[in-house]
Amino acid sequence: DAGVIQSPRHEVTEMGQEVTLRCKPISGHDYLFWYRQTMMRGLELLIYFNNNVPIDDSGMPEDRFSAKMPNASFSTLKIQPSEPRDSAVYFCASSLARQYSTDTQYFGPGTRLTVL
Amino acid sequence: AQKITQTQPGMFVQEKEAVTLDCTYDTSDQSYGLFWYKQPSSGEMIFLIYQGSYDEQNATEGRYSLNFQKARKSANLVISASQLGDSAMYFCAMREAFISSGSARQLTFGSGTQLTVLP
Repeated sequence: DAGVIQSPRHEVTEMGQEVTLRCKPISGHDYLFWYRQTMMRGLELLIYFNNNVPIDDSGMPEDRFSAKMPNASFSTLKIQPSEPRDSAVYFCASSLARQYSTDTQYFGPGTRLTVL
Repeated sequence: AQKITQTQPGMFVQEKEAVTLDCTYDTSDQSYGLFWYKQPSSGEMIFLIYQGSYDEQNATEGRYSLNFQKARKSANLVISASQLGDSAMYFCAMREAFISSGSARQLTFGSGTQLTVLP
């Protein structure tokens, strides 16, 4: 079975440019999460969706960040304009919600973003 | 207060020996889940093991087991018979109750423990 797919795996861009990160969750999963990992702050949740609807975006750093999930099999995280402090590894994860059970989040391979 | 605390930034273990990675957590919820993930140098996050707060037995998955002490709020990961491929960063994470928390589906991660297995 295919796991969570993210693209690109690596992205190098210049400050001010728009960056779009893509994620395909595991088929059948109804939750999708975007995380950011940095040395300073560790793993932080940015936003998550349930059945394509954003539930909590309180972790999104600022208005330069936006996320969409147009359908159950695709999500994007966009940064516009990008800044050097956005350099990080961005993970997408998905899970299948089962109350009082292990709705384990399965992570994609991550996108390593470098903003020069 | 930190919700997840991993007090060991780095650990070393000899190949074939067992190692325990510590994790303590803080929650007022009665229903919660505890997870361990492995992140090798290649960067991916690999799910290892899960323990539910109502589970009476300690979780086990192959060479991984979770030493769950609810009263002490600890969920230590035990890796038996360490292998060189176990060298990685290990993260403990918690998901709080589905009902009581508004953002219940998110995981809160600890800062991680870098495990190095020595030949």
